Amino acid sequence: AAGVIQSPRHLIKEKRETATLKCYPIPRHDTVYWYQQGPGQDPQFLISFYEKMQSDKGSIPDRFSAQQFSDYHSELNMSSLELGDSALYFCASSLSSDTQYFGPGTRLTVL
Amino acid sequence: SQQGEEDPQALSIQEGENATMNCSYKTSINNLQWYRQNSGRGLVHLILIRSNEREKHSGRLRVTLDTSKKSSSLLITASRAADTASYFCVSGGGADGLTFGKGTHLIIQP
Repeated sequence: AAGVIQSPRHLIKEKRETATLKCYPIPRHDTVYWYQQGPGQDPQFLISFYEKMQSDKGSIPDRFSAQQFSDYHSELNMSSLELGDSALYFCASSLSSDTQYFGPGTRLTVL
Repeated sequence: SQQGEEDPQALSIQEGENATMNCSYKTSINNLQWYRQNSGRGLVHLILIRSNEREKHSGRLRVTLDTSKKSSSLLITASRAADTASYFCVSGGGADGLTFGKGTHLIIQP
């Protein structure tokens, strides 16, 4: 069965640079979620989209923005990167249900 | 969504033994879910139990829910090395983000 696809899987950036993470949900899933997991931390919810509209917002910094496109894929844009942004970024998707299916994550390293 | 509090924080058992993890929550729920995360990898949904259910099975997993005590337990029978992971309980869902706690870190000793 198709799973959530995230790209890139690894990304290395310098401080103050920008980064764009992409998420392709499971086909026919209408809701996308973004999570950030720092080293040794539990996953923190950032933001979610349902039918291309922002649905819920968590602890997403103002430097970050996200959107969901007409084909339901989503992008997380991160600007003015800081060392503390180094983390695993997970995308999850669901079909109007309580069960979220997570992607493999993008490991972002900020130098 | 609501964060669950998993207990114990760490658990180490021998391969083949059963592992039991507990979860407590504060307010009433519609459902409770358990996720697993192997080190540095994505979260895998294990099982969802609804508030009107008391027990649910999936393979070697057994989940119980006691809404009167606001608690749940996850039992893994006949543990394997591949079960080494962190286990999280969380309630809620829909279009809302999930709130994860610290989880239970399970280590299966060979």
